[in-house]
Amino acid sequence: GAVVSQHPSRVICKSGTSVKIECRSLDFQATTMFWYRQFPKQSLMLMATSNEGSKATYEQGVEKDKFLINHASLTLSTLTVTSAHPEDSSFYICSARVALDGELFFGEGSRLTVL
Amino acid sequence: AQKVTQAQTEISVVEKEDVTLDCVYETRDTTYYLFWYKQPPSGELVFLIRRNSFDEQNEISGRYSWNFQKSTSSFNFTITASQVVDSAVYFCALSGTGGFKTIFGAGTRLFVKA
Repeated sequence: GAVVSQHPSRVICKSGTSVKIECRSLDFQATTMFWYRQFPKQSLMLMATSNEGSKATYEQGVEKDKFLINHASLTLSTLTVTSAHPEDSSFYICSARVALDGELFFGEGSRLTVL
Repeated sequence: AQKVTQAQTEISVVEKEDVTLDCVYETRDTTYYLFWYKQPPSGELVFLIRRNSFDEQNEISGRYSWNFQKSTSSFNFTITASQVVDSAVYFCALSGTGGFKTIFGAGTRLFVKA
């Protein structure tokens, strides 16, 4: 099946720094990728839809300036958590589809801890 | 608006028992897709099944089976003869035609005891 790779899998940073998480589709082109956030023992909450070559579409309540999403190519989307604070600590997961109505493939997830 | 409800927060069974995880969804789309994912303690999401709204056939894959009932907007998942390795959080998800965003239910945490 299609593979989506996320990097880094774990990151620890100091409060106030910015962290970039990469999401790559390894064997297919993804015009659309999705970024989710998951708090411990909770469900996945959709943060934004990342569109190749255009601006991301953010869900209500998600701060665009805090969570910068860039989808520069058909195989790479990045999420940058700017000026991270402890409350940004979470599990971030990206996903991509092969086709609009197709299966959603997930990356391995990135666990962010902000000290 | 779309919504996925997994009313069972946690289920605990003994190995070899059968267990059914419930999923009820809401959508106004006539074309939509339903999914089940497994999330083991490692955190990765494992795809289990995708079903489109026009295919109400039930499916069986080994010990797993799914019952899709449009009349009750349900897409339930049954594990037969459960095993300890089935212990995980299981998510039901819905993808409609509006941007094909996928939303997830709250998840059901399954504990299978030896």
